[in-house]
Amino acid sequence: GEDVEQSLFLSVREGDSSVINCTYTDSSSTYLYWYKQEPGAGLQLLTYIFSNMDMKQDQRLTVLLNKKDKHLSLRIADTQTGDSAIYFCAESIRRDDKIIFGKGTRLHILP
Amino acid sequence: GAVVSQHPSWVICKSGTSVKIECRSLDFQATTMFWYRQFPKQSLMLMATSNEGSKATYEQGVEKDKFLINHASLTLSTLTVTSAHPEDSSFYICSAGPQGEVSYEQYFGPGTRLTVT
Repeated sequence: GEDVEQSLFLSVREGDSSVINCTYTDSSSTYLYWYKQEPGAGLQLLTYIFSNMDMKQDQRLTVLLNKKDKHLSLRIADTQTGDSAIYFCAESIRRDDKIIFGKGTRLHILP
Repeated sequence: GAVVSQHPSWVICKSGTSVKIECRSLDFQATTMFWYRQFPKQSLMLMATSNEGSKATYEQGVEKDKFLINHASLTLSTLTVTSAHPEDSSFYICSAGPQGEVSYEQYFGPGTRLTVT
């Protein structure tokens, strides 16, 4: 079945880069997403990547996809206190299909 | 971008009562909407797919008689938690994607926090 796994916690010093890793099992996943959820807030789509791409960069965010290993990562450069949140890796087969979420990685920023 | 609203944003109800949560797509039409449930400090779990004009499709382990879904129009889906119990307390989130658009994105509502006392 479909499953998305990611580590639960990550602590990073302010100014350093954060790398959040994720693995998924469904080889037919077409859309891979990274969502951000701040305390008490809804989900915010940070970025996405199609399965036929290897990398996508958007300002401080870099997404790397290794389709062979079904491994997805999100790198946040120059991590700031405002980046403190839970980051969810997610996948879907079609744009209008259900989205399967990982358990979320809580990013903690150290001063 | 497209906006999805939910009402109410939070609700407290007594055990045994029913609660209705609305999910609306404000500036687009959606034949399909999704309902998720999120427990504290946990991930979103898909509960069901709401289909306009037809029955909802429930995920395994979700009681369809307890979580009633009605997708009455292309802009509104409702989730009714019937005979609520404290273990139904959770954060309920809906999502929808614009109908007919070639887009990767689904839009999420802000969520409804349900507390059953």
